[in-house]
Amino acid sequence: EPEVTQTPSHQVTQMGQEVILRCVPISNHLYFYWYRQILGQKVEFLVSFYNNEISEKSEIFDDQFSVERPDGSNFTLKIRSTKLEDSAMYFCASSESPRSSYEQYFGPGTRLTVT
Amino acid sequence: RKEVEQDPGPFNVPEGATVAFNCTYSNSASQSFFWYRQDCRKEPKLLMSVYSSGNEDGRFTAQLNRASQYISLLIRDSKLSDSATYLCVVNGRGGSYIPTFGRGTSLIVHP
Repeated sequence: EPEVTQTPSHQVTQMGQEVILRCVPISNHLYFYWYRQILGQKVEFLVSFYNNEISEKSEIFDDQFSVERPDGSNFTLKIRSTKLEDSAMYFCASSESPRSSYEQYFGPGTRLTVT
Repeated sequence: RKEVEQDPGPFNVPEGATVAFNCTYSNSASQSFFWYRQDCRKEPKLLMSVYSSGNEDGRFTAQLNRASQYISLLIRDSKLSDSATYLCVVNGRGGSYIPTFGRGTSLIVHP
């Protein structure tokens, strides 16, 4: 069964450092997403991406965040200058269509710890 | 009022029990509704979509009440493996496809 993969599984970084989280979506999917989940809290939408452009983004996705699809398979989330409050689980997801009725498949997540 | 609200639980039930969760949403323009399951420190996985007429998948039944703006999930004959957090997800706010997640309801099924 095809699956979304994410690397690394755990990233520890110091405050102010840049981090790049990587995702490989399911190969025939065209729509990609990043979410975060702070420990004990709900899953929060960050950004959706299609055709090399951001489709939608939440208020959390500020200038410190950027996304990129550098090649045909990877989808990355960059945080330029990490803050303590960026510590969370970051999930990548992909879907065949952006239509709200389509299932999104989630990757296993990257746990980001900012110290 | 929170956009998507769930009772966090935990719901502690014996094997074989029937348990039901509700989820309320605030935006009447919402278009699609889902139940996801999330195991501890794992990714969310789609359990089932929720259709206007209600739908069933094995031991799981989901219902939507647009008038009262809530969805429900009923689990019959609970198994130990059903222990997880159940996330209510609401999609589509006036053309947007941004999904809004509830905080989840924790279910513990004990022998």
